[in-house]
Amino acid sequence: KNEVEQSPQNLTAQEGEFITINCSYSVGISALHWLQQHPGGGIVSLFMLSSGKKKHGRLIATINIQEKHSSLHITASHPRDSAVYICAALLRGSRLTFGEGTQLTVNP
Amino acid sequence: NAGVTQTPKFQVLKTGQSMTLQCAQDMNHNSMYWYRQDPGMGLRLIYYSASEGTTDKGEVPNGYNVSRLKKQNFLLGLESAAPSQTSVYFCASSYVSGGSEAFFGQGTRLTVV
Repeated sequence: KNEVEQSPQNLTAQEGEFITINCSYSVGISALHWLQQHPGGGIVSLFMLSSGKKKHGRLIATINIQEKHSSLHITASHPRDSAVYICAALLRGSRLTFGEGTQLTVNP
Repeated sequence: NAGVTQTPKFQVLKTGQSMTLQCAQDMNHNSMYWYRQDPGMGLRLIYYSASEGTTDKGEVPNGYNVSRLKKQNFLLGLESAAPSQTSVYFCASSYVSGGSEAFFGQGTRLTVV
């Protein structure tokens, strides 16, 4: 069982919809990263958080340390948000461990 | 605004050939990493370097070697390429290991035939 699990694996939405991608981890962590990978492969860091909530534009990331769970929300989704979203957990005393990613497709 | 630069972007090797993937960062980051990304799997750590002159094995180090002679460069070597090393390779850097924002290169798509 992977120490970091994401759901769903694939998500298709209509433009304008509110989107949630979930990430669960099985052990204590120091920090959690959300990354975005566009077609063509480049990876961009969206957020790094260790508690609470962060917001950047239409993107919101939350983390619940007690429940070992983080969510990435996209409000008013747009086709340009289509990408793979990856969560990565910094497990205590270790390096980043990555989820398998969520393929998001937003249709116009 | 170079960030993390990987070369080459694409490479085809024959089984048994050797090559070096190059990674350079201009952000004065202490930590650098090499990952591979395979279909259906998350990014897996090959090797990492917490500081200039130090390197450590990650999850999947077999068949690879690395060097970090300068703070800004982290090289990944394949001594004798195998088809199982066909993958997309990403270099990344961060100020400290895992606890700060990570910056990724554009990736190298390697095919071993």
